[in-house]
Amino acid sequence: DADVTQTPRNRITKTGKRIMLECSQTKGHDRMYWYRQDPGLGLRLIYYSFDVKDINKGEISDGYSVSRQAQAKFSLSLESAIPNQTALYFCATSVPSSTGELFFGEGSRLTVL
Amino acid sequence: GIQVEQSPPDLILQEGANSTLRCNFSDSVNNLQWFHQNPWGQLINLFYIPSGTKQNGRLSATTVATERYSLLYISSSQTTDSGVYFCAVRKGGSNYKLTFGKGTLLTVNP
Repeated sequence: DADVTQTPRNRITKTGKRIMLECSQTKGHDRMYWYRQDPGLGLRLIYYSFDVKDINKGEISDGYSVSRQAQAKFSLSLESAIPNQTALYFCATSVPSSTGELFFGEGSRLTVL
Repeated sequence: GIQVEQSPPDLILQEGANSTLRCNFSDSVNNLQWFHQNPWGQLINLFYIPSGTKQNGRLSATTVATERYSLLYISSSQTTDSGVYFCAVRKGGSNYKLTFGKGTLLTVNP
């Protein structure tokens, strides 16, 4: 089983719908992240959390919200999905160190029609 | 913010050939990672290498932090090596943000 698990792996939805992407990890890491990947743009940081009570915006947080339900769980929500949020979304974890290596989940492919 | 440039953007090889991928970055870093994104979209950790040299089978990597570049070597390439290779760095003094390059698309033909 993967150490960082994302659900769903694939989702097709319509404009205006609410969508939640979930991430759980068994690595015991305190830090969790959500990234978005678009063709030609690489990966960009949406939100990050250093612990359950510490959540921070990344470089492209508009249109997204997150919830850190427990040390092992970090979910990403799109309250009202729009087509330009069609992308591949990754959850990642790391140890609480400025040099900590990141480990990624398998990715969640979201299509907004 | 820190800039990360990868070269070449695309590379086509015949199976068995060797290759070198390069990552240049614009500032001091305290974290540098190489990833392989396979055709199914999964990101596989290859190396955590803020400095020095590491080897793992047919792959090796070298980071010269003082000169702000890293190299990924692939020897005796196989078709399963195809995919996108990303370099990602964390700026020295930053404690959270990993900045990705745009990747090198590698195609290995049989």
